[in-house]
Amino acid sequence: QSVLTQPPSVSGAPGQRVTISCSGSSSNIGADYDVHWYQQLPGTAPKLLIYGNINRPSGVPDRFSGSISGSSASLAITGLQAEDEADYYCQSYDTKLSGMLFGGGTKLTVL
Amino acid sequence: QVQLVQSGAEVKKPGASVKVSCKASGYIFTRYDLNWVRQAPGQGLDWMGWMNPDSGNTGYAQKFQGRVTMTKDVSVNTAYLELSSLTYEDTAVYYCAREWPYMDVWGQGTTVTVSS
Repeated sequence: QSVLTQPPSVSGAPGQRVTISCSGSSSNIGADYDVHWYQQLPGTAPKLLIYGNINRPSGVPDRFSGSISGSSASLAITGLQAEDEADYYCQSYDTKLSGMLFGGGTKLTVL
Repeated sequence: QVQLVQSGAEVKKPGASVKVSCKASGYIFTRYDLNWVRQAPGQGLDWMGWMNPDSGNTGYAQKFQGRVTMTKDVSVNTAYLELSSLTYEDTAVYYCAREWPYMDVWGQGTTVTVSS
């Protein structure tokens, strides 16, 4: 059971905006540890999507954005496209676990 | 280009051990920690631990302590993950990932199947 909680699934029509939440606690996100987001397309390795809460690596479209507030983080995707259909994971560090942890993952379906 | 290339698929019997390799290229191997992450079929990502390829220091997730060993061979820019006392629940894809401190480069994954 992950200590970073994500909704199991979200969906949206092409062109719409969706958000994926990542709820943590005072031992991880709430302790000011950065949140990173990864996109995993079917059958492939995860790919870094957002790092340091809000930053996009080179090559990631600006349709993807991250935000953070208190012990939670969010990933927003605007202008949904069919190729955005994937699993999305948040990741942070936890002081109680003394290690990294991932959220349970959210499956995005583009209707 | 920066790349992590992992060894091929493995099939092991319960109780056996498996050793997966992760060869780095395109960057200075000793400058970045390496993490190992696994993903059971249809499940999410599960962090296993990290290793500093320079010092050899390691940190393992509590659930794997006592069963996991992460090592390196700097002469061939390669990191290794060894998992012992395998059970059916260890069937998964195992990934190595460079840490900076986010995981910016991932290997292609190695499928480990535990089957009698």
